[in-house]
Amino acid sequence: GDSVTQMEGPVTLSEEAFLTINCTYTATGYPSLFWYVQYPGEGLQLLLKATKADDKGSNKGFEATYRKETTSFHLEKGSVQVSDSAVYFCAFDNQAGTALIFGKGTTLSVSS
Amino acid sequence: NAGVTQTPKFRVLKTGQSMTLLCAQDMNHEYMYWYRQDPGMGLRLIHYSVGEGTTAKGEVPDGYNVSRLKKQNFLLGLESAAPSQTSVYFCASSPLSLPDTQYFGPGTRLTVL
Repeated sequence: GDSVTQMEGPVTLSEEAFLTINCTYTATGYPSLFWYVQYPGEGLQLLLKATKADDKGSNKGFEATYRKETTSFHLEKGSVQVSDSAVYFCAFDNQAGTALIFGKGTTLSVSS
Repeated sequence: NAGVTQTPKFRVLKTGQSMTLLCAQDMNHEYMYWYRQDPGMGLRLIHYSVGEGTTAKGEVPDGYNVSRLKKQNFLLGLESAAPSQTSVYFCASSPLSLPDTQYFGPGTRLTVL
């Protein structure tokens, strides 16, 4: 069935380090792909999205490219900040367009 | 502009009790959603609504009921709470269907003893 696999956390980095969070998906057809972020004590916020193959979503220094051939949507940032500490969720929309299918989330902790 | 708000923020219930969670949005969005978030799992869709007066089942609807009598409000009801319903509940809304952005509320932490 439809599912998202994210790398297990927690991911612990020092400020200014390079970040990669891997995400692969199993889906019918060609879904739209999303990264949502959840800061401590808050609801989820959309970080970026891509709606077709080879599209690159970007926001706040984060980037992810829709790779159809590898069914992946890895999240990257060149230089993380303490304020990036949060839980990151990879997701895609189901074929009917009625629901988001989420991964389990990856906790990122950045120290100064 | 408050966005999406949820009431209450925390609640403790005993098994068999009932309660209603309220979600309100002031963005005039058509679509609204209820998710639950459990430790080590992503969010799972309980029910959703594509407009005032409509509701539909999501991935995990059993034990829950919903109503959308007004466009801005989406209520989630538990008729007879069970410990398995201990979770954090998130409401979301979006102007259009996916892949439009969903806007999430801050969540309600529910514990069922």
